[in-house]
Amino acid sequence: EPEVTQTPSHQVTQMGQEVILRCVPISNHLYFYWYRQILGQKVEFLVSFYNNEISEKSEIFDDQFSVERPDGSNFTLKIRSTKLEDSAMYFCASSEVAGVGEQFFGPGTRLTVL
Amino acid sequence: RKEVEQDPGPFNVPEGATVAFNCTYSNSASQSFFWYRQDCRKEPKLLMSVYSSGNEDGRFTAQLNRASQYISLLIRDSKLSDSATYLCVVNGMNRDDKIIFGKGTRLHILP
Repeated sequence: EPEVTQTPSHQVTQMGQEVILRCVPISNHLYFYWYRQILGQKVEFLVSFYNNEISEKSEIFDDQFSVERPDGSNFTLKIRSTKLEDSAMYFCASSEVAGVGEQFFGPGTRLTVL
Repeated sequence: RKEVEQDPGPFNVPEGATVAFNCTYSNSASQSFFWYRQDCRKEPKLLMSVYSSGNEDGRFTAQLNRASQYISLLIRDSKLSDSATYLCVVNGMNRDDKIIFGKGTRLHILP
């Protein structure tokens, strides 16, 4: 069964450093998403991406965040200057159809900012 | 009012019992509704979409009440493996509207 994969599974970084979280969506999916979940909190939408551009972003997704699809398979989330409060689980998801369709989630990357 | 609200639980339910939880949403223009399941420290996985007419998948039944702006999930003959957090997910009117997750309802099935 096709699945979304994410690397690394755990990333530890110093405050102020840049991190890149990587995702490989399901190959025939066209819509890609990033979410975050702070420990014990709800899953929060960050950004959706379609046709090589951002289609929707939340207020959390400020200038320190960016997304990119550098090639035909990878979808990345970059956090430019990490803050302590960026520590969370980051989930990538993909879907065939926007909004109404099932989103398939990757296993997540646990980001720890020290 | 929170955009998507759920009773956090936990619901402690004996195996074999029936359990139901509701989720309320604030945006009356919301069009798409889902129940996801999340196991501890794992990713959310779609349990079922919620259709206007209500829908059933085995032991699981989902209902939508647009007038009162809530969706519900009923689990019959609960199994130990049903223990998880159940996330209510709501999407807006446009395809690009952000998807909003509820905080989840924790369910513990007791042997």
